Amino acid sequence: GEDVEQSLFLSVREGDSSVINCTYTDSSSTYLYWYKQEPGAGLQLLTYIFSNMDMKQDQRLTVLLNKKDKHLSLRIADTQTGDSAIYFCAYYSGAGSYQLTFGKGTKLSVIP
Amino acid sequence: NAGVTQTPKFQVLKTGQSMTLQCAQDMNHEYMSWYRQDPGMGLRLIHYSVGAGITDQGEVPNGYNVSRSTTEDFPLRLLSAAPSQTSVYFCASSPILGNTIYFGEGSWLTVV
Repeated sequence: GEDVEQSLFLSVREGDSSVINCTYTDSSSTYLYWYKQEPGAGLQLLTYIFSNMDMKQDQRLTVLLNKKDKHLSLRIADTQTGDSAIYFCAYYSGAGSYQLTFGKGTKLSVIP
Repeated sequence: NAGVTQTPKFQVLKTGQSMTLQCAQDMNHEYMSWYRQDPGMGLRLIHYSVGAGITDQGEVPNGYNVSRSTTEDFPLRLLSAAPSQTSVYFCASSPILGNTIYFGEGSWLTVV
């Protein structure tokens, strides 16, 4: 299977919460990231979490990490139309590795 | 503070032509890298550098060369463009790998 798996699409109504899920295979992942990409634009780092953390909150964003299940999620509270984008999960595994491993991205569509 | 700057943003090449994608960062980051993004896929690492004078191959290095003569610049050279190199290219930099990693706005390359 893929190193990082994400659902390809998610559709939510404006004002609801969005939850984007990600599973990964590398148990040595040290940093895990969420990036946002709007159409025709680059990647914007939203947040990252270190592997010894379970949760990180930053304004409307909540990241949950279940290291045992190798599951990462990003919750966006009060989703707005401006949140419509592709969200990429990625990890960096640490010593000896010099790359981020990305999922294929989840396209979030926010319905007004 | 410009962050990570890539040029050009758009380019059309004919098969067999060569060109250089430029990447510059003004944050004094040691680590720089180039990724390519293809439709429906995540990002894949082409080449990376952990400091001036040091470069190494990533996951998909064939057909590309890099150099790192200064901390600020990390150009990516396409030696003889092929249609398979049609992609969006992203440059990234980080103070140390694993810390926050910043991406440029991307360069859209089409090889005909």
